[in-house]
Order: sequence, then structure tokens, then C-alpha cells
Amino acid sequence: DAKTTQPPSMDCAEGRAANLPCNHSTISGNEYVYWYRQIHSQGPQYIIHGLKNNETNEMASLIITEDRKSSTLILPHATLRDTAVYYCIVRVEVGQTGANNLFFGTGTRLTVIP
Amino acid sequence: DGGITQSPKYLFRKEGQNVTLSCEQNLNHDAMYWYRQDPGQGLRLIYYSQIVNDFQKGDIAEGYSVSREKKESFPLTVTSAQKNPTAFYLCASRAPWTSGNTIYFGEGSWLTVV
Repeated sequence: DAKTTQPPSMDCAEGRAANLPCNHSTISGNEYVYWYRQIHSQGPQYIIHGLKNNETNEMASLIITEDRKSSTLILPHATLRDTAVYYCIVRVEVGQTGANNLFFGTGTRLTVIP
Repeated sequence: DGGITQSPKYLFRKEGQNVTLSCEQNLNHDAMYWYRQDPGQGLRLIYYSQIVNDFQKGDIAEGYSVSREKKESFPLTVTSAQKNPTAFYLCASRAPWTSGNTIYFGEGSWLTVV
């Protein structure tokens, strides 16, 4: 699986949009981009994933560049409860049978400020 | 509710003792995983299982053992051979690719050697 690069930390004002970048310049054509977040002392929580097209769900939006070498997770209206470490991961999805397929780096520590 | 249950949440072990961490899932997922997370670090794969009665070593399997006798259960034993077992342990399972292939995590277990 391709590796990812994220800034170690970011701040965001409460109520504003949080934009978390991720570089994955070695991504393969069949690798998806996944985002998870982890609040201290809890298990990582799935947020969203995508392949080529931008995706949106009730939690966030995912913007993937045309060359797929980078992406941005957008939390449209950040709240204090969004303070967490956010992980960007790339991995094979459809038809994938291998299991050693999640590489969590150190992620981005997002702090939402009141 | 469907999900992954890990127990205990907190566990203290004396040096030289083996301990077993429980992981149960009612999501009907075939694949299950164990990860270790050290403070400020990402997740590292210990063992994974793609199906009942089968499991494979991950990146840091030394000093650990697992079993997969039932689909719902994937217990992890931290043996006395593990030299630095104090860490946060996360169990996960993976949805089939027809359901998005997403990996879901339990709430984790803190193991401290005293």
C-alpha cells in the first residue's frame, strides 16, 4: 500500500471549516483513500473513503485531486468534539483479499478552538 | 447494536505473566486484526485472520499469539516473551468488499506491565 504524508498538527476555530491535507504521491490506480479519526484512548473511527471522485457523507467531504496524488478532508463546521487525530490511508478495496492493508502513520492532530 | 467489543479496557500485568485480550464482533465479518499503538505513534499490525482457523503474522508478531476458533472471536495473548508489552491494543474487523471493505475498530485495551 502507498504511504501518506500529513501535517503533524492543525488548529481550527469552532464553526469554521477544517481542511486536512494528505499527500499520497505513490498511490496506485486501484488504491482508495480512506480517512479515520481517533479521539484519545478510543479506537479509530471510520469517516469516509473515495477512489477518484469527490465524496460527501454526513460527517465530511473528501476532495481528491485529478492526479490522485493528494486529497483533502473537509469538516464543514468543526465542533469541539471534532478534536482528534485524523489519519489518511490508502489501500486496495475492490476484490482485495490481502489483510495486511492498513498503514496508519502519525496523522494530523486537529485542535478545534472555541 | 453491531460492533466490536474488546475487554478488558484496562489490564495490569506482572512481568513474566501471559495475558489474553478478548475481541468479539457481531458484524459477521470474516477478517479480523490486532494492532498495537504506542503513545504518539501510529498503529502497527500484530496479527490478522482472514477466515476461521487461519491467521497470519503482521509486522510485530514476536511475543504475541492468537487463535481464531470462531468467526466472532479473535483473542490476543501477550506472552512473557514480549519485552515491552505496555501499549494500547486495538482489535478490528473488515467488512466484505461488497459492503465497502471498510475496517472497523473496537474501543481498545490498555495493557500496563507493573
